[in-house]
Amino acid sequence: KAGVTQTPRYLIKTRGQQVTLSCSPISGHRSVSWYQQTPGQGLQFLFEYFSETQRNKGNFPGRFSGRQFSNSRSEMNVSTLELGDSALYLCASSLGQGAMNTEAFFGQGTRLTVV
Amino acid sequence: AQTVTQSQPEMSVQEAETVTLSCTYDTSENNYYLFWYKQPPSRQMILVIRQEAYKQQNATENRFSVNFQKAAKSFSLKISDSQLGDTAMYFCAFSKRELTFGKGITLSVRP
Repeated sequence: KAGVTQTPRYLIKTRGQQVTLSCSPISGHRSVSWYQQTPGQGLQFLFEYFSETQRNKGNFPGRFSGRQFSNSRSEMNVSTLELGDSALYLCASSLGQGAMNTEAFFGQGTRLTVV
Repeated sequence: AQTVTQSQPEMSVQEAETVTLSCTYDTSENNYYLFWYKQPPSRQMILVIRQEAYKQQNATENRFSVNFQKAAKSFSLKISDSQLGDTAMYFCAFSKRELTFGKGITLSVRP
């Protein structure tokens, strides 16, 4: 059974540009969550999608958005990139909604560097 | 809002010895889950162990066990017979819906 796949693994973007990250969950998993990991702020929840609907959102500006497709694949978009958006972006998939009662499986992340 | 605190930034342990990683959390919720995740240099988060708050019995997974003290809001991880492959960052996490992580602790296992 394939794990969670995130693409690309590495990205370098310029300030002001936008970027789209992709996450393919484990087959059969319908929930995809996104997290940002930085040395200063640690791991922070961005949002969760379940059955193509955003179910939960963290405290991030509107420049961060996402969507989920009918095959449960999810994309995350960051517009007007800032230097502070440089981070490892982790995607997690699970069978059910919310991390509470189902195990979340993480991808290897996308390392975004904004210059 | 929930908070998770891991006060020790790093620890070191000799191979085959036992080490305990500390974690405290704050919440007004009564029903929730607690987790320990391991993040090796590959950066992929791996679930180590999970504890359901309504279960009084401490969870165990092979060499890994927890000491869950609900009233004290404490959730420590004990690693027995430490192995070189245990070297990683360890994150304590709370979940009611999304995961709220602590800052993590870097564990080094010395040969």
